[in-house]
Amino acid sequence: DVKVTQSSRYLVKRTGEKVFLECVQDMDHENMFWYRQDPGLGLRLIYFSYDVKMKEKGDIPEGYSVSREKKERFSLILESASTNQTSMYLCATKRGGPPNYGYTFGSGTRLTVV
Amino acid sequence: GDSVTQMEGPVTLSEEAFLTINCTYTATGYPSLFWYVQYPGEGLQLLLKATKADDKGSNKGFEATYRKETTSFHLEKGSVQVSDSAVYFCALSDPTGNQFYFGTGTSLTVIP
Repeated sequence: DVKVTQSSRYLVKRTGEKVFLECVQDMDHENMFWYRQDPGLGLRLIYFSYDVKMKEKGDIPEGYSVSREKKERFSLILESASTNQTSMYLCATKRGGPPNYGYTFGSGTRLTVV
Repeated sequence: GDSVTQMEGPVTLSEEAFLTINCTYTATGYPSLFWYVQYPGEGLQLLLKATKADDKGSNKGFEATYRKETTSFHLEKGSVQVSDSAVYFCALSDPTGNQFYFGTGTSLTVIP
């Protein structure tokens, strides 16, 4: 089974800090995604990547950036954390190819910005 | 664009009750359809999927049938258990397989 590991389950940061959320997969999946999950809003796509050094903006990229220097690692960066970025962040991976390949999710990082 | 609409919760059922969570979709092509489950404090897990019209996905007693004529993929279970308490997400994958669209989730609580 594919394992997707997010570096922290819970994180508390101060407003204005630069925050790094790390996601590592142990299979050779091409595609990686960052979502945030908020009550009543479901999952919203922040950024995704189809390959090393490639990145694409999702629906809500403002205030975020990403880095994918190695195939197995996809990092989400909050350049200057704000309280409205308090959320659950979910990383997901998907094998490239047919649409019937589903996503595999990490356990999530619950970020609180104070 | 593509989208998924699922019934709002929360849903509260007694153990052994019948469960239906409605999901309808809008898509320009022929999507694949999925149900994911999120247990408290965890990420989402794939519950079942269907890749073409009239396919039935099933897992752990849950079922959903891909209905192209009604653009629906309703989740059903004949007899729920307390351990089924979770948030359920309907999702579709566009024909390229590169983007997923999720519903907003339906919270289910099963009481003994």
